[in-house]
Amino acid sequence: EAGVAQSPRYKIIEKRQSVAFWCNPISGHATLYWYQQILGQGPKLLIQFQNNGVVDDSQLPKDRFSAERLKGVDSTLKIQPAKLEDSAVYLCASSPLSTGSSPLHFGNGTRLTVT
Amino acid sequence: TQLLEQSPQFLSIQEGENLTVYCNSSSVFSSLQWYRQEPGEGPVLLVTVVTGGEVKKLKRLTFQFGDARKDSSLHITAAQPGDTGLYLCAGLDTGRRALTFGSGTRLQVQP
Repeated sequence: EAGVAQSPRYKIIEKRQSVAFWCNPISGHATLYWYQQILGQGPKLLIQFQNNGVVDDSQLPKDRFSAERLKGVDSTLKIQPAKLEDSAVYLCASSPLSTGSSPLHFGNGTRLTVT
Repeated sequence: TQLLEQSPQFLSIQEGENLTVYCNSSSVFSSLQWYRQEPGEGPVLLVTVVTGGEVKKLKRLTFQFGDARKDSSLHITAAQPGDTGLYLCAGLDTGRRALTFGSGTRLQVQP
């Protein structure tokens, strides 16, 4: 089966600019996650979708980050305006079930550098 | 949110050596997963443990879940260069539906 697809792979922007990331999950996977992984740290959950509804966005900085999952398939994550501390790898993951114990299938991430 | 502490943070060993990495929390997990992440790639699931005291083996890797479901360990026997990577544990908080990840153990196996 095809894996989780993410684009772009790399993005360099200046602070206060905006940026968007795209994710296409594994076909049929109902649950989609966006994680932020800062260098030297483990992934931190930003938002979890079940189909096209938000399950958990408690750690999403809503003043600058937004995410949507139209039609319950693809998802986009946007940052506007970006700050230096947003430099990180943004990982998208999907799973077939809504329970957190089901395995996550990750994409290869988008590496964002904010200068 | 549970805090997952992994130790050691870094480990550099020679091919053929054995090693153990640890994942600890003060809270109880309903389940715990181990992932390995290589540079430029996303984490890949190695194992899921659910029952306290559970031991799972995956070739040269042995995973153990603590009796109280607050900690876990990963033991690698006769490490190989292909084992190099970032090992992440991830626990499921009983009050949440998404995994919380530890900060990882970065392992380098020298040939």
